[in-house]
This record gives sequence, structure tokens and C-alpha cells, in this order.
Amino acid sequence: GESVGLHLPTLSVQEGDNSIINCAYSNSASDYFIWYKQESGKGPQFIIDIRSNMDKRQGQRVTVLLNKTVKHLSLQIAATQPGDSAVYFCAENINDYKLSFGAGTTVTVRA
Amino acid sequence: GAVVSQHPSRVICKSGTSVKIECRSLDFQATTMFWYRQFPKKSLMLMATSNEGSKATYEQGVEKDKFLINHASLTLSTLTVTSAHPEDSSFYICSAAPGRAYNEQFFGPGTRLTVL
Repeated sequence: GESVGLHLPTLSVQEGDNSIINCAYSNSASDYFIWYKQESGKGPQFIIDIRSNMDKRQGQRVTVLLNKTVKHLSLQIAATQPGDSAVYFCAENINDYKLSFGAGTTVTVRA
Repeated sequence: GAVVSQHPSRVICKSGTSVKIECRSLDFQATTMFWYRQFPKKSLMLMATSNEGSKATYEQGVEKDKFLINHASLTLSTLTVTSAHPEDSSFYICSAAPGRAYNEQFFGPGTRLTVL
């Protein structure tokens, strides 16, 4: 099948470069998606969200892309900084209040 | 705004004892609170959903007699791990939502439980 970006458990990126984190979600009925950042020993922090009627949304230094055809979500971080080092999770929601979290990607920023 | 706290942040207990973890929404009323469990280098696993004044809804495979949840007020939910054993050691995270909207789920800082 088409390769749209594999989920990798770890990502090492040079400071100042752009980061791309991929996530494959499981349910075609999911209508809402969220990216979270989790630093060591802390709870998840909301980064950005996107609804299924959109394919792109931008925030401050972050962009989320949604490809519903292949059930793929990506998070792009521009000009990655040391403070961006963390584990990033995507989460999907299916018409109710429960979130289902993806496997997570550990991002390490090299100085 | 939208701050959720957990207490304690870390707890070490002996096998067989019970441990209570509190989750509080500090500046909003939480209609719904969620409890998650996270193993090292793993994702968050939803354990249960609690609504103020009613019984919690547990996810499949989560023992309700083992993990007692009480949502006594709109700002407080507690998770009690009863008769804890080493396999219950984990990072427990709560989240709180002001309404029924899933996009307003705010997470607490987590509680690290270690059972000896």
C-alpha cells in the first residue's frame, strides 16, 4: 500500500530543524483528533486539535495534517527547540467523550 | 485557567495496603473525570469514566473492586487502589472535563505509584 509516513517510536532532530511526527489511527468513524505533548513525569498537555471535516490546521509553530483516506495524522513542529523534547501522542475520538491514545513518539532535540 | 491537580504526586506503599489518589479541578467544575493508567514508555490506557454523583463506568478488563472511583463533587474524584500489589505499580493520570465535550479534557500531572 501507499507509504504515507510510518509511525516511529523515537525521533531525533537537530535544534532548529523541522520535526514531523506521524500517527495512524484505527477507526474511520473518528471525527476529532488531538495531539498531546507529555514531558517526563507529567501529564499530557494539549497541543493542537483537528476535526474530521478539515485536512490541515495551524497553530503557533505547529501544524496538524489529517489524511482520512489512509487514516493518517501528522504533527509538524517548525524550528524545533530543546523544550520540544518530550513524548508526543495522538488521540482520536469517536462521537463520545472517550479518547483513544496512540503509541507515542519520543522526540529528542540535539543541540 | 483549567488547572487539574493530583495528590499525591508520588506514593510508595507496601503490598496489601490501599492507596487513595485525589484528582481536583481547581478553577472549574468537572462534570466528567477520567482515570488513566500509563506503563513506562507506553500510551495512556483509559481505566474508567466518572460523572459526579453517579457510579463510574469502567473499561473492559479493569476490575471495579480493585480500582474504586468516587466522584463526590464537581471538583473532586478519587481513585483508591485496594490491596495493592507490585503489578499495580504505574503512573496514574486523571483528566477533567467541564462538560460532555471531549475537547475540553484537561489532564492532571499524574501520580507515580510504587508498590513494594
